[in-house]
Amino acid sequence: DAGVIQSPRHEVTEMGQEVTLRCKPISGHNSLFWYRQTMMRGLELLIYFNNNVPIDDSGMPEDRFSAKMPNASFSTLKIQPSEPRDSAVYFCASSHGNEQYFGPGTRLTVT
Amino acid sequence: DAKTTQPTSMDCAEGRAANLPCNHSTISGNEYVYWYRQIHSQGPQYIIHGLKNNETNEMASLIITEDRKSSTLILPHATLRDTAVYYCIVPSPRADKLIFGTGTRLQVFP
Repeated sequence: DAGVIQSPRHEVTEMGQEVTLRCKPISGHNSLFWYRQTMMRGLELLIYFNNNVPIDDSGMPEDRFSAKMPNASFSTLKIQPSEPRDSAVYFCASSHGNEQYFGPGTRLTVT
Repeated sequence: DAKTTQPTSMDCAEGRAANLPCNHSTISGNEYVYWYRQIHSQGPQYIIHGLKNNETNEMASLIITEDRKSSTLILPHATLRDTAVYYCIVPSPRADKLIFGTGTRLQVFP
């Protein structure tokens, strides 16, 4: 298995633009997680899905952030409109049980 | 999640055993202890987990005290590639999510 796949690996955008981050979980995993990591706040859980259904989105910072999982093999995290404070590394992880497997991350820079 | 306490940083000489402690004094009887690590610029990586018995795999050993209030992750022969931040996590059995704290920054030196 190729592991968790995230795209793009790097994204640079201007404030106000829409940003879409993509994730393909490991086949057979039934849970998917989106995290954000910054120097100031560390690694934060934003939202997670179980069997494609959002279970806990309490970590989503505000309405500008939304996440979808239309099927078992694909999820998106969208930021609209983006702001400079959204600059961070965004990780997607998948699991079957509590052993989570992380993707390489997307480094987002909003100027 | 049960709260965990780890030292902020540790050093270890290459080839020596690295022993990383974690306190989880409020752990309940059915909560597991998980260890992950994050090498610079990479996503976190699962290492090992345990309930009350000591565990060993190809990466590390996990020693859990009899009262389960603390544990130690052991890297038997540390290499430079083991330099990373190590996270000790005790997730709630009722939830799937992990809460990452600040971890221990392990520096392995030549």
